[in-house]
Amino acid sequence: GDSVTQMEGPVTLSEEAFLTINCTYTATGYPSLFWYVQYPGEGLQLLLKATKADDKGSNKGFEATYRKETTSFHLEKGSVQVSDSAVYFCALNAGNQFYFGTGTSLTVIP
Amino acid sequence: DVKVTQSSRYLVKRTGEKVFLECVQDMDHENMFWYRQDPGLGLRLIYFSYDVKMKEKGDIPEGYSVSREKKERFSLILESASTNQTSMYLCASSYWPPGQGSHEQFFGPGTRLTVL
Repeated sequence: GDSVTQMEGPVTLSEEAFLTINCTYTATGYPSLFWYVQYPGEGLQLLLKATKADDKGSNKGFEATYRKETTSFHLEKGSVQVSDSAVYFCALNAGNQFYFGTGTSLTVIP
Repeated sequence: DVKVTQSSRYLVKRTGEKVFLECVQDMDHENMFWYRQDPGLGLRLIYFSYDVKMKEKGDIPEGYSVSREKKERFSLILESASTNQTSMYLCASSYWPPGQGSHEQFFGPGTRLTVL
């Protein structure tokens, strides 16, 4: 069945460092891919999405490109801030089904 | 903006109690979902509903039931709470527009339930 695998955490970075969180997926059809972010004490919020191969989603300095050939959707940011400290979830939507990765906790230190 | 609200942020119950978790969305979404979130396990789907009065089991429905009497409200019920149901519970809603290939979910803030 469909599934999402994302990089284990936790990840700790210094402010202004480069961030990559890896995400790969398994799907039988043509899913849409998402990154959600969960700040402490809150629910999940959509960060960015891509609906077809080679699409690039971007928001708040974060980017991810839908790579069908490698079945990947890695999250990147060139310069992280303390306010980016959160848990990040990669997710897949196929029809009315949603599949989530286990989450990657990011802590950014000043 | 879509708003999904959950009745409590924190809840403490005793083993064997019946527990109701309420979720309300204000954007007329057809689809609603209940997840539980545990460290290292991510989000696991308990139940979902595509319309009023209908429900479908998710991956871990045992020990839970749901009710959807009105489109905007989706309730999760723990018939007899147990300590292994201590968790964060997240409600979500979504709407799949006709002709679009995908849609996203909108989440509530979560209810952290502790069963003693």
